Amino acid sequence: AQKITQTQPGMFVQEKEAVTLDCTYDTSDPSYGLFWYKQPSSGEMIFLIYQGSYDQQNATEGRYSLNFQKARKSANLVISASQLGDSAMYFCAMREVKGTGNQFYFGTGTSLTVIP
Amino acid sequence: DSGVTQTPKHLITATGQRVTLRCSPRSGDLSVYWYQQSLDQGLQFLIQYYNGEERAKGNILERFSAQQFPDLHSELNLSSLELGDSALYFCASSQLLGLVLGTEAFFGQGTRLTVV
Repeated sequence: AQKITQTQPGMFVQEKEAVTLDCTYDTSDPSYGLFWYKQPSSGEMIFLIYQGSYDQQNATEGRYSLNFQKARKSANLVISASQLGDSAMYFCAMREVKGTGNQFYFGTGTSLTVIP
Repeated sequence: DSGVTQTPKHLITATGQRVTLRCSPRSGDLSVYWYQQSLDQGLQFLIQYYNGEERAKGNILERFSAQQFPDLHSELNLSSLELGDSALYFCASSQLLGLVLGTEAFFGQGTRLTVV
């Protein structure tokens, strides 16, 4: 089974509108971390937001918020007031403890296009 | 700028050859992660080091190896290169390890390897 599933290969959003990028995860560990990264066409991976499995509140970072629904095992990214510069690939990732280290799993990504 | 430095940015080499990719983590970060991003496999976690010790292994081939040096920089060695090894190789670093999951991992710009 896939550890991280992103079901939206491509999304379009009007500038200044909000958009939700979906992510579901699969783990039986009680302790894990969820991340969202942005990869623009230039290729670098930019950290956006983090949610710990024990965090009671949804994480927020500026225009980014993470809609964490633990029972559903979903960690959707919400981008408010979209900007043209938000056009990029977005990856959801999960970190699990593995032995004495960490194991990361990434989804296949969602390509977001912001339309002027 | 994430503070993680990877060299070289681009590398073109022939099949059967060996290359070394270098990563300097952010100041103060003890954990280094290596990832491979290819068109067919997506983003794959390869290996994690913490303060010089290997801590977690992902989908790393036996032809690949890594190490972290006392000054905390890390090298990923790829040998007997095949066409399918062409990919973007990322290094990421974070400050804390393992069970303390409240930290993000910052990525370098990546090394684009082309095997011809």
